[in-house]
Amino acid sequence: AQRVTQPEKLLSVFKGAPVELKCNYSYSGSPELFWYVQYSRQRLQLLLRHISRESIKGFTADLNKGETSFHLKKPFAQEEDSAMYYCALYTGTASKLTFGTGTRLQVTL
Amino acid sequence: NAGVTQTPKFRVLKTGQSMTLLCAQDMNHEYMYWYRQDPGMGLRLIHYSVGEGTTAKGEVPDGYNVSRLKKQNFLLGLESAAPSQTSVYFCASSYRGPPYNEQFFGPGTRLTVL
Repeated sequence: AQRVTQPEKLLSVFKGAPVELKCNYSYSGSPELFWYVQYSRQRLQLLLRHISRESIKGFTADLNKGETSFHLKKPFAQEEDSAMYYCALYTGTASKLTFGTGTRLQVTL
Repeated sequence: NAGVTQTPKFRVLKTGQSMTLLCAQDMNHEYMYWYRQDPGMGLRLIHYSVGEGTTAKGEVPDGYNVSRLKKQNFLLGLESAAPSQTSVYFCASSYRGPPYNEQFFGPGTRLTVL
């Protein structure tokens, strides 16, 4: 069965430091990967998706099929990046996403 | 546009009681989803619907039933609540299914079963 692993429950970085939120998946086919974010007292929302090859709020993510990873990166963390981040996987079956357990990013001064 | 709304926001039940959670969306989306979020387990799909009058099971459907009688509403029912169903429930909707269509989430319902 497909699975998404986010190994860090909490990632704490200083403002201006680089950020890398890890996401690994298990699926042998051609997946589509997403990052969703939940800011404090806000709803869960889409941050970016692999299929769009986009950069949102300075974040990027590259799909590495060899390492089955989709890590989220940002060169310089900002305070407003503090949030809960979820990686999600779509395998083409049953119109559904499989979510990871989430990583809380804490950006401190 | 209100987007995705959920009723109620909070609820406390006793074991064995029943209740219905209502999800409504005003974006004319075809797909709707119910998830539960538990500490350390992320979001898990309970049931989903790909259109009015259709429903399908997700990862953790046991103990829940759903109905999609109107396109804009997706109801989640607990017939006999159990403490294991204590969770935060999120509804989401999307125009169509993944991967091209973003899921829009509601604010969540915090349910406690004593």
